[in-house]
Order: sequence, then structure tokens, then C-alpha cells
Amino acid sequence: AQSVTQPDIHITVSEGASLELRCNYSYGATPYLFWYVQSPGQGLQLLLKYFSGDTLVQGIKGFEAEFKRSQSSFNLRKPSVHWSDAAEYFCAVGEGGNEKLTFGTGTRLTIIP
Amino acid sequence: DTAVSQTPKYLVTQMGNDKSIKCEQNLGHDTMYWYKQDSKKFLKIMFSYNNKELIINETVPNRFSPKSPDKAHLNLHINSLELGDSAVYFCASSPRTGPPYGYTFGSGTRLTVV
Repeated sequence: AQSVTQPDIHITVSEGASLELRCNYSYGATPYLFWYVQSPGQGLQLLLKYFSGDTLVQGIKGFEAEFKRSQSSFNLRKPSVHWSDAAEYFCAVGEGGNEKLTFGTGTRLTIIP
Repeated sequence: DTAVSQTPKYLVTQMGNDKSIKCEQNLGHDTMYWYKQDSKKFLKIMFSYNNKELIINETVPNRFSPKSPDKAHLNLHINSLELGDSAVYFCASSPRTGPPYGYTFGSGTRLTVV
């Protein structure tokens, strides 16, 4: 069965600093990988996704993620965070055929001035 | 226009009651889902429908019954509500089955059972 691990429950970074959120997955075949962001009291918004091809994926709001098959990872990065990036971030892995997504437990990002 | 809309946004009810949550999407997507997010923010799939046909039914108590009158609507009815049902329920949709294209989520329904 597929699974996703986000090892960091909570990360605090200074505004303007770089960010990396970790995600490791377990899936037998080629994974479909996603990052979502959830602002307080809101639904989840898709930041980016990886299916195949270039392993460095660009998303919205200046985020990018790199798929590393050898490490079973799909880490999310941003070179310079803004206060508005404070939110909960979820990594997810999908399987084809029925569109089921399995989510990680999320990483809460706090931005300090 | 809201792409995936859920009603109500908040629902407070007593144990033992029956309640429904409605979801509508205007994106023309074929597949709709219900996810439950618990107090620790963990998201778990409950049901998935493709063109009104049930395709995913996770280990959810029989008290939960989804209904899809057409591909734009997926409602969730819950009988005999229990304290443990308190959570945020998210509806989502995606274009089709096959390679996942990612979901569009609604803003959630916060259910509190007292």
C-alpha cells in the first residue's frame, strides 16, 4: 500500500529565508506526487504535481519540488518565504485508475519577522 | 463562481442525530470525493464517485452514506452521529479517472458533535 511520510510536524523560518519541506513516499510503481497547502480555515490548494519527465517541478506561489527516485523523496522548496506562506503543507501520493490520493500528516509552517 | 462548494460550512449537532452535507462542483469533473480531516489534520479518503458510480469505499461505518444524484453533486449523509465523527469533511473533485490530475477541494464542513 502506498504511504507518505512528512517527518517535520512543525517548521519555523524567518521571513525571507529559504525553505525546504521534506516528503518521503512508499509506492511500488512510478508515483504521482503532489504538494497541497492549507491556510487556516480553508480547503487545500494544489501547489504542484509530478507525473513524469523533468524531476524538478515548478508550482504556484514560487514553490518548486524535486523528485528523487533513489531517495523516494519529493521535497518542497522555496528560495525566500513570505509571511503569507504560513500554512499547513501536505504531500500526497496518487495511484492511477481510481484517483485515490494518500496524504502525509502535514507540516505546519510558521514564519517569523 | 466557487468551483467546489460545500454546505453547510459549520454544523453543530447532538449525538444520535442524522445530518447531511452537500457538495457541488461546477468544473465539469467526472470524479468526486469525500475526505475526513481529524483534529490532528490527518486526511483520509472516505468515498469516491465517478459519474455517479461508487468507485472507492474505504472502511467507513455504515452510518455514512454518500449519494450522487448526478456527476456534479456528491452528498454525505450521516446517521446516528457519534462524538468521534467530529472532524472537518472535505469534498473534492478531479477531471477523470486514470493518472491523477490532482484534486480541487471545497472549503470544508466543520462538524461538531456534542
